[in-house]
Amino acid sequence: SQTIHQWPATLVQPVGSPLSLECTVEGTSNPNLYWYRQAAGRGLQLLFYSVGIGQISSEVPQNLSASRPQDRQFILSSKKLLLSDSGFYLCAWSRPGQGIKQYFGPGTRLTVT
Amino acid sequence: AQKITQTQPGMFVQEKEAVTLDCTYDTSDQSYGLFWYKQPSSGEMIFLIYQGSYDEQNATEGRYSLNFQKARKSANLVISASQLGDSAMYFCAMREGQFGNEKLTFGTGTRLTIIP
Repeated sequence: SQTIHQWPATLVQPVGSPLSLECTVEGTSNPNLYWYRQAAGRGLQLLFYSVGIGQISSEVPQNLSASRPQDRQFILSSKKLLLSDSGFYLCAWSRPGQGIKQYFGPGTRLTVT
Repeated sequence: AQKITQTQPGMFVQEKEAVTLDCTYDTSDQSYGLFWYKQPSSGEMIFLIYQGSYDEQNATEGRYSLNFQKARKSANLVISASQLGDSAMYFCAMREGQFGNEKLTFGTGTRLTIIP
């Protein structure tokens, strides 16, 4: 069976500090991978998606970047966090060519102080 | 322009009653898909139900059914016999894009509270 992991679960970081959130998927090959952000009380906003190693598409201009160094690993980064980067970050995967359903990870709650 | 609209920010429903959560969408694609996800307070997104644009019958999954009205561009979620555990945020989402390059657009959600 497939599982998706995210860590850390919660993170409190000061403004201007770097960020690295990690997402890994087990039990499947060549998944499509997605990073979403959910601001408090809001819906999900797609930040990045990837259809393969090294292939990253950005949906919105922002202070964040994403990388996919391995097939089942997706990393969200920032060099300098802003207050507005606070939120709940969710990673998701879907089967390639069959994006009917996206499976979500448990999420990382980031607070920038 | 908003692609997914959920007009009910919050709803209160008596336990065991049926509830309908509204969702309207906007797309020019012929092929698309509509989803409903549940997000409890823990934050995880739980897939509930899916309806493809070419599916002629409304999707059903246990107590969940999707009332798909294509001409009106609506995809309402119906929960029958609501339970206390149904209290959560509910998000409607739409899939667009080509195979292997699909993206989901989410609505702003509806917070459902089941009253005992």
